[in-house]
Amino acid sequence: GQQVMQIPQYQHVQEGEDFTTYCNSSTTLSNIQWYKQRPGGHPVFLIQLVKSGEVKKQKRLTFQFGEAKKNSSLHITATQTTDVGTYFCAGPGQNFVFGPGTRLSVLP
Amino acid sequence: DAMVIQNPRYQVTQFGKPVTLSCSQTLNHNVMYWYQQKSSQAPKLLFHYYDKDFNNEADTPDNFQSRRPNTSFCFLDIRSPGLGDAAMYLCATSGSGTSGMYEQYFGPGTRLTVT
Repeated sequence: GQQVMQIPQYQHVQEGEDFTTYCNSSTTLSNIQWYKQRPGGHPVFLIQLVKSGEVKKQKRLTFQFGEAKKNSSLHITATQTTDVGTYFCAGPGQNFVFGPGTRLSVLP
Repeated sequence: DAMVIQNPRYQVTQFGKPVTLSCSQTLNHNVMYWYQQKSSQAPKLLFHYYDKDFNNEADTPDNFQSRRPNTSFCFLDIRSPGLGDAAMYLCATSGSGTSGMYEQYFGPGTRLTVT
């Protein structure tokens, strides 16, 4: 079945440093979504990428969809303590699958 | 504000005692999902409704059932909860269109404890 993998599993950064999480799917995705879940909270939708090679920006966040539509990345520039949480990629397929997530902690 | 509401927020049940979790939405979305999320893990899709069409994930145990009496409400029934069913249960909704399903809006979740 479809598998979605993410690396790293954990990332600890100093406030102001950059952060990147990578998502890889075993199958081609029609689109990919990114969610953020704060500690104790529920997943919140960030963005959806649809086109091959697509790049979208939201303030300090940059999202990219691979040319083959099997991988994606989320990059945060100059992290802040408000960026703390777990970032999940998720893709549709035979079933909707969340990646295992990357837990980001930001040290002030 | 339009939203996804889950009740109760915390539920304690006894081993083997049936329990029902509820979800309601004011977004008028046609797709509703139930996820199970265990500590430090990703949400795992149990099933979803596309309008009235029920879609069960292949590995969802028979112990889990769902009902959607109308667009706004969806219920998760756990017929005989085991200790391994203790988890956060998340309800989500989304719209849909020709390009597939859209972003999902999650409720705050119901944390289930099995004693």
